[in-house]
Amino acid sequence: GAGVSQSPSNKVTEKGKDVELRCDPISGHTALYWYRQSLGQGLEFLIYFQGNSAPDKSGLPSDRFSAERTGGSVSTLTIQRTQQEDSAVYLCASSYTRLASYEQYFGPGTRLTVT
Amino acid sequence: AQTVTQSQPEMSVQEAETVTLSCTYDTSESDYYLFWYKQPPSRQMILVIRQEAYKQQNATENRFSVNFQKAAKSFSLKISDSQLGDAAMYFCAYRSASKLIFGTGTRLQVFP
Repeated sequence: GAGVSQSPSNKVTEKGKDVELRCDPISGHTALYWYRQSLGQGLEFLIYFQGNSAPDKSGLPSDRFSAERTGGSVSTLTIQRTQQEDSAVYLCASSYTRLASYEQYFGPGTRLTVT
Repeated sequence: AQTVTQSQPEMSVQEAETVTLSCTYDTSESDYYLFWYKQPPSRQMILVIRQEAYKQQNATENRFSVNFQKAAKSFSLKISDSQLGDAAMYFCAYRSASKLIFGTGTRLQVFP
């Protein structure tokens, strides 16, 4: 079946603009995660959603970052007033549930460049 | 807080040889999972192998195996009979509940 998809693949934006990144999880997966991968770094957890529960936002670096998940499926990560330090690859993952025994499947990521 | 450390930024291996990538982690939990992910230039994170902490037996997946030392909090990945397609970034990751905690990665080069 189809894997996790993300759009756009690449995004170049000017400093101060808002951007929206989209993630389509695997059908039937109730858990959805966003990670950020800065140049030369590992992946940093941002936020996760599990079904209808309140999301875990503990990894969001500032209040310029927000995310929502509509209808328990598609998720959008929004970055307001982008800064150059926001340049990174943003990866989305989904899993059947939040339990650690279930694998997280990753999308191909969105490369964000803030000029 | 849990942390994951990969002390080898880069490693290289000759085709058909064996290479070991190191990973250490820190946690006070007793029940957790450890993973090795491969990230080729396409950016797609691919699960290579995983280990449940309660299992003493080391996980094996074809040419990939781990050396899991729970007391030492060490989780190394051994790649046998290396192939050109193994060239990628390799990330060690820890998971106890929901999120994954990643190391900074090891770039593996494979020479013919």
